[in-house]
Amino acid sequence: QKEVEQDPGPLSVPEGAIVSLNCTYSNSAFQYFMWYRQYSRKGPELLMYTYSSGNKEDGRFTAQVDKSSKYISLFIRDSQPSDSATYLCAIAGGTSYGKLTFGQGTILTVHP
Amino acid sequence: DVKVTQSSRYLVKRTGEKVFLECVQDMDHENMFWYRQDPGLGLRLIYFSYDVKMKEKGDIPEGYSVSREKKERFSLILESASTNQTSMYLCASSLEALGGSTDTQYFGPGTRLTVL
Repeated sequence: QKEVEQDPGPLSVPEGAIVSLNCTYSNSAFQYFMWYRQYSRKGPELLMYTYSSGNKEDGRFTAQVDKSSKYISLFIRDSQPSDSATYLCAIAGGTSYGKLTFGQGTILTVHP
Repeated sequence: DVKVTQSSRYLVKRTGEKVFLECVQDMDHENMFWYRQDPGLGLRLIYFSYDVKMKEKGDIPEGYSVSREKKERFSLILESASTNQTSMYLCASSLEALGGSTDTQYFGPGTRLTVL
């Protein structure tokens, strides 16, 4: 079993839809959770981070963590074509030297 | 803002050549990482470094080596390039490993390497 599981998609939604992206993890030592967005042929950029169970909101984006279920989510409201990218979850705290454990990434397309 | 730069965006090399990929970060970060990214396989850690002249193997170190002579610079070396090393290579850095926000990694734009 992989330490972090993420459905690779692809996921295609119409503009304006609410998008839900999810990851599950197996190591309860993980404490710190990130979402990265990666546009085609570019490096990943940090979108959001959170370290506790509950919700964290930033504009149209909401990161949700449920440590009891070992489940993290990213919600995108009012999705736009510019949100089309690969979204990677990343988790820290279960390893040494600051290594992150990444999900495989979900490819999202928002069509007009 | 953290800036991580990589020496080339696109690189084409021949089988057997020695290849150097350079990465520089400007935020005095302790940790630096090299990944490769392939379709269906996600990000795979090749090597990382937590201090100058210190290095640790990641998940797929075979066929690669690294060098960190200065804090801001981390080089990935393909000793003898092979076609199965054709990939997107990503460098990242993080402030320090304390198990919290300082673990956040900042990525460079990537180098797409093709080995013919």
